[in-house]
Amino acid sequence: GQNIDQPTEMTATEGAIVQINCTYQTSGFNGLFWYQQHAGEAPTFLSYNVLDGLEEKGRFSSFLSRSKGYSYLLLKELQMKDSASYLCAVRDDKIIFGKGTRLHILP
Amino acid sequence: EPEVTQTPSHQVTQMGQEVILRCVPISNHLYFYWYRQILGQKVEFLVSFYNNEISEKSEIFDDQFSVERPDGSNFTLKIRSTKLEDSAMYFCASSEARGHQPQHFGDGTRLSIL
Repeated sequence: GQNIDQPTEMTATEGAIVQINCTYQTSGFNGLFWYQQHAGEAPTFLSYNVLDGLEEKGRFSSFLSRSKGYSYLLLKELQMKDSASYLCAVRDDKIIFGKGTRLHILP
Repeated sequence: EPEVTQTPSHQVTQMGQEVILRCVPISNHLYFYWYRQILGQKVEFLVSFYNNEISEKSEIFDDQFSVERPDGSNFTLKIRSTKLEDSAMYFCASSEARGHQPQHFGDGTRLSIL
């Protein structure tokens, strides 16, 4: 079956670094996306990985290992505005979203 | 920056009625999508649309649902004979291409079925 797992909630401190993990089991794989979703708002695109390795974009980086069915999103220099849900999504023949990780940032 | 726009922002409908949710994708985008998110749950794919036809759909997208691109700018989702469990946030998204291009989401329509 299709399954995407990520932690339900995480807490981190302003200025720190946090890593949000995602594991997936899908029948096919055509790329993995990370989205940010603030409460009551639409998801916004953060990153895309289709090849193994690290993609860096400012304070955010995303890593993929296709052989392990594993990705992580790394957030550096955390700011209060980073408090949101982070959604891992895999493109099979369609896009399947995980349930999201709710990240709480403490001052 | 161009954005996907959705109307209305909130729709309240009696159970059994038909509802049409409207979206204007970004103008140079070719792929269009509908998702739904039941309160507190994950985003669920409904359907993708390209070249005036459905390219993929999920098990959720049954005969109750239909999509249409009635003109060069609008992309609509019609839900016939709505049920209580159709209450959710419905997001429209669009992308330039299918692969690595990100999908840009609209702000959503909150559908409440009474």
